[in-house]
Amino acid sequence: GENVEQHPSTLSVQEGDSAVIKCTYSDSASNYFPWYKQELGKRPQLIIDIRSNVGEKKDQRIAVTLNKTAKHFSLHITETQPEDSAVYFCAARPSTSGTYKYIFGTGTRLKVLA
Amino acid sequence: GAVVSQHPSWVICKSGTSVKIECRSLDFQATTMFWYRQFPKQSLMLMATSNEGSKATYEQGVEKDKFLINHASLTLSTLTVTSAHPEDSSFYICSARDLQGRLSGANVLTFGAGSRLTVL
Repeated sequence: GENVEQHPSTLSVQEGDSAVIKCTYSDSASNYFPWYKQELGKRPQLIIDIRSNVGEKKDQRIAVTLNKTAKHFSLHITETQPEDSAVYFCAARPSTSGTYKYIFGTGTRLKVLA
Repeated sequence: GAVVSQHPSWVICKSGTSVKIECRSLDFQATTMFWYRQFPKQSLMLMATSNEGSKATYEQGVEKDKFLINHASLTLSTLTVTSAHPEDSSFYICSARDLQGRLSGANVLTFGAGSRLTVL
C-alpha cells in the first residue's frame, strides 16, 4: 500500500524567510496530493492541493510542486508570517482507493520566529 | 465551503464505560466518512472508513468490536469507543467528502474539529 514520508519533522524560520516541506510517496498510482494545515487544538484545513497531471500550483504565498518521476512533492511558503506557525500534513490518495482514503505524512511543525 | 461538525469536542469518562462521538456533515451529503486517531504531536492515523448503509472498513490493527462505527444516514456517522480504557485516550477526528463537490472540490476532505477523549 501507499506510504508517505514527510521531512523535516520540525522547521523554524525567521519571519519573511521561505519554508519548504518535502514529502515522498511510494505508490505511483497516487494521483492527488493535498496539504493540510493544523493549528494547535484545531481541525486540519486544506491549504493547497495538486493533481498528478500538474507539475506546480501556486496560491499567493503558497506553492506546491510535484515530481511524478521521483515520486515527491513539496510545499513552499514564501514571506512567512507568524500566523503560518502550525503543523502541516501532506497526503497522497491512491487512484485505486475508490473511497478517497488519504494516506497522511507524519507532519511538520513549522515555527515562524518574529 | 463544506462544514463538518463533530460532537462532543471533549469528553472524560471512567474506565469501562462506552463513549459515542458524532460526525455530521452540515450542508452536504457524505456517503463516506473517515475516522482518524491522532496522538500528541503525531500524524492522523486512519482507523476506519465509514460507509453509509453498510459496514465500516477497518484498517489493519484496529479492533472493530472496540471501535464501533455506524453510518445510518448521508449526514451522520458515529464512533463508539466501547469499554474504554486509559490507552484509548486520544484525539479522534472525522472527515467527510462532499459527494457532489458543490461546496468544495470533489477530492477535498473536510475535517471535523475533533473530539478529545480522556479515560480515567
